[in-house]
Amino acid sequence: EVQLVESGGGLIQPGGSLRLSCAASGFIVSNNYMSWVRQAPGKGLEWVSILYTGGRTDYAESVKGRFTISRDNSKNTVYFQMNSLRGEDTAVYYCARDLGGGVLDCWGQGALVTVSS
Amino acid sequence: SYVLTQPPSVTVAPGQTARITCGGNKSGSKSVHWYQQKPGQAPVLAVYDNSDRPSPVYYDHDRPSGIPERFSGSNSGNTATLIISRVEAGDEADYYCQVWDTSTNMYVFGAGTRVTVL
Repeated sequence: EVQLVESGGGLIQPGGSLRLSCAASGFIVSNNYMSWVRQAPGKGLEWVSILYTGGRTDYAESVKGRFTISRDNSKNTVYFQMNSLRGEDTAVYYCARDLGGGVLDCWGQGALVTVSS
Repeated sequence: SYVLTQPPSVTVAPGQTARITCGGNKSGSKSVHWYQQKPGQAPVLAVYDNSDRPSPVYYDHDRPSGIPERFSGSNSGNTATLIISRVEAGDEADYYCQVWDTSTNMYVFGAGTRVTVL
């Protein structure tokens, strides 16, 4: 069964850092594109980042330069390092398997990140 | 940047057909995908466009396993549409359209449409 499980969310002060993990099972992360999508409380979905199979990455303008997506092939896990966090980064963060062209066919349960003093 | 416009809400009676629109500049030349999100749950891919090349007329849309055949999509001109036939109470959810904006290499979501079954 294809499954994604996020972890690492929590309460963090503005300016702080947090790393989310997304552990995959049922498929090989390095053979797939992987994306992160976030959803602020009561709001819609916002795509934030993608990691391609070859290692190239892309980011939404709202997080570029502050967030970094990466993977550990030995652990079949994708990471999302978030630095210089702001209140507007408060959201549930979902990782998703990306079939390309925006087709996100498998999503994790989400990790809540709350940025507040 | 590319913008997708969805109506905030759609209300439909059980057994009827719900049509959820997604407007975008020349969306008919893009692949538009649809996600369903029920309260407190992660989004689920409902309908995706698997066409290899853009067509101005109609796309073959596929559904992931577990999504009923009642869900289908169409896309032409400046409007994509998610069509839910024979609506059931369990179809109540937020629905989001999404495209890949090749000019910026970013994914864009619509603001979402809440479907209420009355």
